[in-house]
Amino acid sequence: NAGVMQNPRHLVRRRGQEARLRCSPMKGHSHVYWYRQLPEEGLKFMVYLQKENIIDESGMPKERFSAEFPKEGPSILRIQQVVRGDSAAYFCASSQSSNYGYTFGSGTRLTVV
Amino acid sequence: EDKVVQSPLSLVVHEGDTVTLNCSYEVTNFRSLLWYKQEKKAPTFLFMLTSSGIEKKSGRLSSILDKKELFSILNITATQTGDSAVYLCAASLSGNTPLVFGKGTRLSVIA
Repeated sequence: NAGVMQNPRHLVRRRGQEARLRCSPMKGHSHVYWYRQLPEEGLKFMVYLQKENIIDESGMPKERFSAEFPKEGPSILRIQQVVRGDSAAYFCASSQSSNYGYTFGSGTRLTVV
Repeated sequence: EDKVVQSPLSLVVHEGDTVTLNCSYEVTNFRSLLWYKQEKKAPTFLFMLTSSGIEKKSGRLSSILDKKELFSILNITATQTGDSAVYLCAASLSGNTPLVFGKGTRLSVIA
């Protein structure tokens, strides 16, 4: 069981470009959560998805950010027209159901230059 | 607004010391409290606490929950340099609600 796989591990983008972050949940897990972590800050919830559905996107900025979890393939967090303030570590977690604890991926560190 | 507060934010101790990390929560529809350890990468699961007063133990780490006073503590005895990490506390709520995390406590254990 490969665990939660995130890629890329590191991503550098210039201001105005698009960033695509991928997350493959653990086998058997259908719930995916995206969190953002800034230096010296905790994990801030962004969005919660189940296959083909967004369950809760209350933590995700309304503009430039979007997320999907298609029937086939990984979950994608997409940030359009990135700005310096988007620089952070983005963690994905998965669980069997909302009643279970999460397993986290190793994160994608996004740097906007 | 649901809130989880950890203290202290950072802590430096010597090897062999015992440390206590604190986590208080103010949330609606509380279900359980979780502790994670984060070194350089992914947070890794330590404990899930659902019932008050029952200590969970794993080696030198232990944790307990007080649902009346709305807090939990994580104890680490005989600390080692490998215990250096950020320790995250999170509240799990009923329903389809994501975990709410505190800011973490950064523990540094020096030889």
